[in-house]
Amino acid sequence: SQQGEEDPQALSIQEGENATMNCSYKTSINNLQWYRQNSGRGLVHLILIRSNEREKHSGRLRVTLDTSKKSSSLLITASRAADTASYFCATGSGYSTLTFGKGTMLLVSP
Amino acid sequence: DAGVTQSPTHLIKTRGQHVTLRCSPISGHKSVSWYQQVLGQGPQFIFQYYEKEERGRGNFPDRFSARQFPNYSSELNVNALLLGDSALYLCASSFSAGAYEQYFGPGTRLTVT
Repeated sequence: SQQGEEDPQALSIQEGENATMNCSYKTSINNLQWYRQNSGRGLVHLILIRSNEREKHSGRLRVTLDTSKKSSSLLITASRAADTASYFCATGSGYSTLTFGKGTMLLVSP
Repeated sequence: DAGVTQSPTHLIKTRGQHVTLRCSPISGHKSVSWYQQVLGQGPQFIFQYYEKEERGRGNFPDRFSARQFPNYSSELNVNALLLGDSALYLCASSFSAGAYEQYFGPGTRLTVT
């Protein structure tokens, strides 16, 4: 079963614009992670935020976490065509493994 | 350093057959997890192994089995293949068990006809 739900399902923007994706989840978590997947191949880890953190930055990525609302957002600033991919949130609880959402497809046009 | 490797890259099987997929983790990683990703969905957890012991199992039938070897590589076996088993099978490694940052291989694309 899917724990996370990403929103929107698909997002189309122009290069240079910002892209925001949201993730909602159902149960309590220890951490929340974002992954990127290009063309149905392996996933690449982008960033991990722990349940006691509210915001985290990595390069052009900014992640927020609101545990009271059970939601997270991923912001990609100054998008590039190379950012075109599917983005997944994944939640981790205790010693369990990760539970992924269905993903957001991002298309960045030149 | 080599990343996670998986073999084969693509595989076509017939219903009722069995298949073995292989995964080699990043050097130094002791945990391997397997995921199934159906087109248009996120990865679904199948198994996690750590130090050659099963640490977690997802909601998959007993036709799915796995094991981890002393060198930490892993095999995923699927018996009595069904059309619905067609998917991308992803292997991920991490230093320890649990829900930590995982490093994914490129996947094995399985098509069942």
